[in-house]
Amino acid sequence: RKEVEQDPGPFNVPEGATVAFNCTYSNSASQSFFWYRQDCRKEPKLLMSVYSSGNEDGRFTAQLNRASQYISLLIRDSKLSDSATYLCVVGRIYNQGGKLIFGQGTELSVKP
Amino acid sequence: DVKVTQSSRYLVKRTGEKVFLECVQDMDHENMFWYRQDPGLGLRLIYFSYDVKMKEKGDIPEGYSVSREKKERFSLILESASTNQTSMYLCASSLTGLGYTFGSGTRLTVV
Repeated sequence: RKEVEQDPGPFNVPEGATVAFNCTYSNSASQSFFWYRQDCRKEPKLLMSVYSSGNEDGRFTAQLNRASQYISLLIRDSKLSDSATYLCVVGRIYNQGGKLIFGQGTELSVKP
Repeated sequence: DVKVTQSSRYLVKRTGEKVFLECVQDMDHENMFWYRQDPGLGLRLIYFSYDVKMKEKGDIPEGYSVSREKKERFSLILESASTNQTSMYLCASSLTGLGYTFGSGTRLTVV
């Protein structure tokens, strides 16, 4: 079983739609949580961190449920430019550093 | 802005060749990482380093080694390239080990 699991999609939605991505993680020692965005043939870039209290950045809302080990990302009023792969990521600190574990990504395609 | 530079964008090598992938960061970060990304498998951690001359195996270290002689440079070495190592290789650096900046990737094809 993968440590971070996501529905790979693709999600095909019209402009203006609301779309939700879900993610589960298996290691309860995970300490930090993120969503990254990856455009086709580009490197991943941090979209937002995810906090237990939930957090919002414009049209994007992220939620974390530590008890259920579940992370979500909601995109409202989706734009053509939101088309990308969204990576659910968990982080752990250990030894003298830390590392990130990536889900395989959920592909989003927003159509006119 | 932190810059992470990978020496090659595209690389084609022959089976059995020794391959060096170079990564340089310019922000004095302690932590550096090498991932490979394959369709359906996502990003998988090969090796990482939290200090000069220190290295830790990731989830798929077999067939790879690394070198970190200077803080800013982290090299991934394929000792004897094989076709199953054809992939996109991504280097990242981080101050804390969590907030990553990625390089633009090296697409390696082994023929």
